[in-house]
Amino acid sequence: EVQLVQSGAEVKKPGESLKISCKGSGYSFTSYWIGWVRQMPGKGLEWMGIIYPGDSDTRYSPSFQGQVTISADKSISTAYLQWSSLKASDTAMYYCARLHSSLDYWGQGTLVTVSS
Amino acid sequence: EIVMTQSPATLSVSPGERATLSCRASQSVSSNLAWYQQKPGQAPRLLIYGASTRATGIPARFSGSGSGTEFTLTISSLQSEDFAVYYCQQYNNWPYSFGQGTKLEIK
Repeated sequence: EVQLVQSGAEVKKPGESLKISCKGSGYSFTSYWIGWVRQMPGKGLEWMGIIYPGDSDTRYSPSFQGQVTISADKSISTAYLQWSSLKASDTAMYYCARLHSSLDYWGQGTLVTVSS
Repeated sequence: EIVMTQSPATLSVSPGERATLSCRASQSVSSNLAWYQQKPGQAPRLLIYGASTRATGIPARFSGSGSGTEFTLTISSLQSEDFAVYYCQQYNNWPYSFGQGTKLEIK
């Protein structure tokens, strides 16, 4: 069974750093891109970027380029999304999903709250 | 970037009736179009890919059509569990993009 399990909810202060994770199982993790999607409170879905764990090829949506870093450790079938300096506007639910043309399997989401 | 525009923003339909949701791309995406359903507090779920192919386990009452720039998701006979937000998404050109969503509510 294909599963993507994300790390738990986080509460952070502005300016702090954060790295959240997405662990894949039940399939060949290195053979599919992983996408990250943001959903701000009460809003729609936004593509952030994608990574191919096989060779760490990464692409970012223009709105998120330079704002976050996407990485992966194929040895433990885990993808990451990280911030070096969080802002209140980063408060959102973040989803990872397997990209097989479309996003066919999704993680449960990680809620990130940034508040002073 | 390709902009995806969904209409209407909100659709009110009675259970048992048919719902038709639209999605338009700012340039051709061929058939590289997916539809997702999202219920409150849940992650999105893939319904349709390739514009018209139902994902695994998706009931036959869900159907997708279209190509190029105009797409439609049809739910033939609405069940109570179908009331949710629906998103289209193109994967023809990076950056991939979602529409803003259509909320399907009970009339």
